[in-house]
Amino acid sequence: EVQLVESGGSLVQPGGSLRLSCEASGFTFSSFEMTWVRQAPGKGLEWLSYIDTSLTAMYYAPSVEGRFTISRDNANNSLYLQMNGLRAEDTALYYCARVSNSYFGIGSLDIWGQGTMVTVSS
Amino acid sequence: EIVMTQSPATLSVSPGERATLSCGASQSVSNKLAWYQQKPGQAPRLLIYGAFSRVAGVPGRFSGSGSGTEFTLTISSLQSEDFAVYYCQQYTNWPLSWTFGQGTKVEIK
Repeated sequence: EVQLVESGGSLVQPGGSLRLSCEASGFTFSSFEMTWVRQAPGKGLEWLSYIDTSLTAMYYAPSVEGRFTISRDNANNSLYLQMNGLRAEDTALYYCARVSNSYFGIGSLDIWGQGTMVTVSS
Repeated sequence: EIVMTQSPATLSVSPGERATLSCGASQSVSNKLAWYQQKPGQAPRLLIYGAFSRVAGVPGRFSGSGSGTEFTLTISSLQSEDFAVYYCQQYTNWPLSWTFGQGTKVEIK
């Protein structure tokens, strides 16, 4: 079964750091680009970050650029998001999502994890 | 940044009726438009990509149309399992950025 499982979310104080993980299974992880998307409580979806298959291209939304760092370990089928300088507005459910590599669908997000919750509060 | 605007925010529909959801882009995204369904407590699920291509396993009652700046998701005959929030997403700037619409909640009338 194709699956993504996030972990690492927790309660953290403002200004703190957290590292999220996303473990992939059921597909060749190293062949797919990956992203992180978040959803604040009761709100919509916000794309955060992208990484290519060879770790040569990483992109970020302006809201997290300079504070968050995306990385991956293809040998261990894992995606990561290092979050520093956390703010109250970073409180959200964080999803990892796979970028489709189908010809007409490339760029859409075809597999999502169940999410891991990050709460930033004192 | 390309802004995606969905309407209406909430759509009240009776089972068996047709639902029409709209998504507009602030500038052309060609056909780089996806639709996602999200049920309470679940992750989003990709339904449509390339504006009109259905993902394998998605029922035929779901159809997408449009190009450029105006897009539509139509659910031809709503079933109970279709009541959810639907998001459109543009990926014309992939991989530099993606943007989602704010969502349309389809609720039981």
